[in-house]
Amino acid sequence: SQKIEQNSEALNIQEGKTATLTCNYTNYSPAYLQWYRQDPGRGPVFLLLIRENEKEKRKERLKVTFDTTLKQSLFHITASQPADSATYLCALPRASGTYKYIFGTGTRLKVLA
Amino acid sequence: EPEVTQTPSHQVTQMGQEVILRCVPISNHLYFYWYRQILGQKVEFLVSFYNNEISEKSEIFDDQFSVERPDGSNFTLKIRSTKLEDSAMYFCASLLNRGNEQYFGPGTRLTVT
Repeated sequence: SQKIEQNSEALNIQEGKTATLTCNYTNYSPAYLQWYRQDPGRGPVFLLLIRENEKEKRKERLKVTFDTTLKQSLFHITASQPADSATYLCALPRASGTYKYIFGTGTRLKVLA
Repeated sequence: EPEVTQTPSHQVTQMGQEVILRCVPISNHLYFYWYRQILGQKVEFLVSFYNNEISEKSEIFDDQFSVERPDGSNFTLKIRSTKLEDSAMYFCASLLNRGNEQYFGPGTRLTVT
């Protein structure tokens, strides 16, 4: 079945730099993929959705790419700020034709002032 | 901005007791989900609900679990006889349409002793 791999190690970067997080999936290529932010003890907050026919999507300082050949999505935060420190989750449908979503374990980002 | 609400924020119960977790989805949304997140682990899909019936459910969602939309606004998750391993954060999410972004509630922390 479909699996998601996100770097479980924390990512520490300096304020102002670009953070790049990776989401790799196995098996089938989903029609779309979602990115969420989760703060400790809180519910995930939707950030961006990218569809299979979109190579790139942007929202303010956020950018997501989707490479179906590599089975990978990259999530970028430019000009990072300490307030961007959180865990970022990747989510996609478990299988083609289903709306059961699976989530990655998330990557914890810490932006250092 | 509309948001998903959940009550209670924290529920402590004894093993074997029944619990009901409540959610109020965003008013014009049509699809409703329950997820759980055991401390330090992934967000896991439990069940999706549309048009007053279950659309999909996971292997976790066994006969001990049930969902209901009793009055057109609340969406509930019932666990009939709680086990220690049911201790987790339970998140409700609502969507306007399938394949769109999910809006999560703040979660209910369930502690089974």
